[in-house]
Amino acid sequence: GENVEQHPSTLSVQEGDSAVIKCTYSDSASNYFPWYKQELGKRPQLIIDIRSNVGEKKDQRIAVTLNKTAKHFSLHITETQPEDSAVYFCAASIRFGGNTPLVFGKGTRLSVIA
Amino acid sequence: AAGVIQSPRHLIKEKRETATLKCYPIPRHDTVYWYQQGPGQDPQFLISFYEKMQSDKGSIPDRFSAQQFSDYHSELNMSSLELGDSALYFCASSSDGTGGLNSPLHFGNGTRLTVT
Repeated sequence: GENVEQHPSTLSVQEGDSAVIKCTYSDSASNYFPWYKQELGKRPQLIIDIRSNVGEKKDQRIAVTLNKTAKHFSLHITETQPEDSAVYFCAASIRFGGNTPLVFGKGTRLSVIA
Repeated sequence: AAGVIQSPRHLIKEKRETATLKCYPIPRHDTVYWYQQGPGQDPQFLISFYEKMQSDKGSIPDRFSAQQFSDYHSELNMSSLELGDSALYFCASSSDGTGGLNSPLHFGNGTRLTVT
């Protein structure tokens, strides 16, 4: 089955700097890669996702890139703000032509220091 | 917009007791996923249902069972509870047609189960 590795496990950045979180996946059939933000004790919230037919997607300060050949994808947050502090999870699954459950990475705890 | 509704929000049980968690998916979503998240851990997939039939099975213990009803709500039944079952239990729903593009998963607010 799918295995998702996520790095780093913790990340501290100064407010205004950029943050990058990287994930790799093992199943070449996976075609859907969402990112979830989870604040302490709350539900994971979808912040951006990318499908395997595109290499990059951007939404304001958040962008995700996908390299299908290398089987890795990354989350980029620019101009970080204190409210970006949370745990971020990457995930992978087959969503085109299938409905397999999401497999999550172990999470990255992002701290934005004001 | 309507979200995934889970109940109860908090539940305290003793060892060996039983618990039932409920999930009401987003309207017109036909698939429900159950995840277990321990402290500081990533969500672990337990089980899913599509159109009231079990569609995938993950790391769900034999002591747990689940089903999806005709109105698409789902219940997770947990018996012979153990201390290690203490966790956040999330339900997520999506619209998963056969083939083509399926909708993202949206999570409920979770049920925090504490076993003492």
